[in-house]
Amino acid sequence: DGGITQSPKYLFRKEGQNVTLSCEQNLNHDAMYWYRQDPGQGLRLIYYSQIVNDFQKGDIAEGYSVSREKKESFPLTVTSAQKNPTAFYLCAIGRENSNQPQHFGDGTRLSIL
Amino acid sequence: GENVEQHPSTLSVQEGDSAVIKCTYSDSASNYFPWYKQELGKRPQLIIDIRSNVGEKKDQRIAVTLNKTAKHFSLHITETQPEDSAVYFCAATIKAAGNKLTFGGGTRVLVKP
Repeated sequence: DGGITQSPKYLFRKEGQNVTLSCEQNLNHDAMYWYRQDPGQGLRLIYYSQIVNDFQKGDIAEGYSVSREKKESFPLTVTSAQKNPTAFYLCAIGRENSNQPQHFGDGTRLSIL
Repeated sequence: GENVEQHPSTLSVQEGDSAVIKCTYSDSASNYFPWYKQELGKRPQLIIDIRSNVGEKKDQRIAVTLNKTAKHFSLHITETQPEDSAVYFCAATIKAAGNKLTFGGGTRVLVKP
């Protein structure tokens, strides 16, 4: 989606290392989300934020951290506590109203070195 | 807990035939049901959605039906084409989960020429 930018496209993590995935949006949406997708699997919610300076844990938050200091940005840090980080990470944006769609970025593929 | 069940997990159809994917949800307060198409290695893209005050919605070869009483909704693709081959995900807002989207496990559709 042209208004959502995820970077990098590919990322490699060494054991014991923290890595940060970037998600930026210029569509002025309040809500931002991080999902994890494993091969052949559905999307699982890691964290979400509905307003600046506030965020909530999703279904699989352990080993991850986020911040929402600006409306446009919602970075995800995969910490060394996440023992199985290899996955496709998708950032999505949405409106605060629940009956509106979410739109996804192009994703970051994270692998372990 | 609250979840969304999606069936079948794989679907193979002959070009020109119809494809139907079904999802069930457990929260009767759910009010928004989007469908996403994901091609290999790409981001999920919204293809159609329906709100709880509507029973059916159609967009060219794609239609979605909603049965609130039975708590299930279905995606119908008519006159399938090879480019319809992808993974399709249903989702529903789950009120008990803060009106976040919860995704089904996905259906891999293969359209054989």
